[in-house]
Amino acid sequence: GAGVSQSPRYKVAKRGQDVALRCDPISGHVSLFWYQQALGQGPEFLTYFQNEAQLDKSGLPSDRFFAERPEGSVSTLKIQRTQQEDSAVYLCASSSAGGLNQPQHFGDGTRLSIL
Amino acid sequence: EDQVTQSPEALRLQEGESSSLNCSYTVSGLRGLFWYRQDPGKGPEFLFTLYSAGEEKEKERLKATLTKKESFLHITAPKPEDSATYLCAALSGGSYIPTFGRGTSLIVHP
Repeated sequence: GAGVSQSPRYKVAKRGQDVALRCDPISGHVSLFWYQQALGQGPEFLTYFQNEAQLDKSGLPSDRFFAERPEGSVSTLKIQRTQQEDSAVYLCASSSAGGLNQPQHFGDGTRLSIL
Repeated sequence: EDQVTQSPEALRLQEGESSSLNCSYTVSGLRGLFWYRQDPGKGPEFLFTLYSAGEEKEKERLKATLTKKESFLHITAPKPEDSATYLCAALSGGSYIPTFGRGTSLIVHP
């Protein structure tokens, strides 16, 4: 499809395990964002990439969270030594290079549950 | 600090009963105000972008308007399929990270 694709859709992990979440943005989109969304809340910013460069990671909750986009396309959000408070929906969004005020297009997210 | 507040948190309407959702924002030099629709288990779906006060955009039963302090999403004669959470987000000058509100959960009863 032509939209943003995220995998897996659901992930259950035991506390302390590492997880990796994948995002395939819309082809040609320069900007890529990761968000965390708790139930009943709006998306909370985690990190932003422009091509392969991570320009802002100020929203990452701790050093257990790491994101990369090595070739400027697919991105991976990794969470090490997961904790229960990491349980949330992780959303990825991409936008075109037509200006920073372009709308973001979201994937359907990965629902992460930490037991 | 940029802030976006949406009201009401939840809204129940009868089919055909028109209403408006509010998005109040406090940002430095608004560069864009975005409206999204989010269905359960899905990511936000882009609806509109508004750039300057006085601007209006329409799509089917939805119309978004913008003033210097707030935006409204007007829903005319809603149908049950309009039931969803509606999110707004504001982008300030010099930033590339929009600030999202918590959303309004809309339920339209047949």
